[in-house]
Amino acid sequence: QSVLTQPPSVSGAPGQRVTISCTGSSSNIGTGYDVHWYQQLPGRAPKLLIYGNNNRPSGVPDRFSGSKSGTSASLAITGLQAEDEADYYCQSYDGSLGAHLVFGGGTKLTVL
Amino acid sequence: QVQLQESGPGLVKASETLFLTCTVSGGSVTSSYWSWIRQPPGKGLEWIGFIYHSGRIKYNSSLRSRVTISVDTSKNQVSLRLSSVTAADTAVYYCAKVWGQDYFDSWGQGILVTVSS
Repeated sequence: QSVLTQPPSVSGAPGQRVTISCTGSSSNIGTGYDVHWYQQLPGRAPKLLIYGNNNRPSGVPDRFSGSKSGTSASLAITGLQAEDEADYYCQSYDGSLGAHLVFGGGTKLTVL
Repeated sequence: QVQLQESGPGLVKASETLFLTCTVSGGSVTSSYWSWIRQPPGKGLEWIGFIYHSGRIKYNSSLRSRVTISVDTSKNQVSLRLSSVTAADTAVYYCAKVWGQDYFDSWGQGILVTVSS
């Protein structure tokens, strides 16, 4: 059971927009801690996609965007492309005893 | 751009100690926090812990009794030691550079460690 909750899967057709939610609690996202997102292509290591809720590292297309509100965050992908098919993970800090850095359970994005 | 490379045995016997090394190139281990993260086959990511060269360390409470992370500045390496392993410790283990103490901005390719009975 992950501290941050993500839907197991989402899907969309090429060109469409999809969103992936990440739901936390008052001990993590709700306290104001930043949310970060990672993309993991099949058989590859995770790659930083969004940091600090809504910032893209150099080289990440602006089709990817992040937002945060209350105890939740979202990753939006517009103009869906076949190469976006991957697992996506959110991550934050949890202030409860012993937790520290925590991940969501991951969401599998399927491009139809 | 810093590069990270994990190394170590791919097979460890149950009840023994797993030992992995992460070699950092293109940067110094004294410049950042460094973390270990693992991913059991077909499952999600689990943060193990992080370290700063000054000795500041934090571990995931679920693993704290069995894990040790250390830094060797002379070799520019970060190491992970996990004792009393079981099949549940079978996973791909990643080394990652931590920005501040917040997020992971560079990752190694990962190394699969299988615990055998």
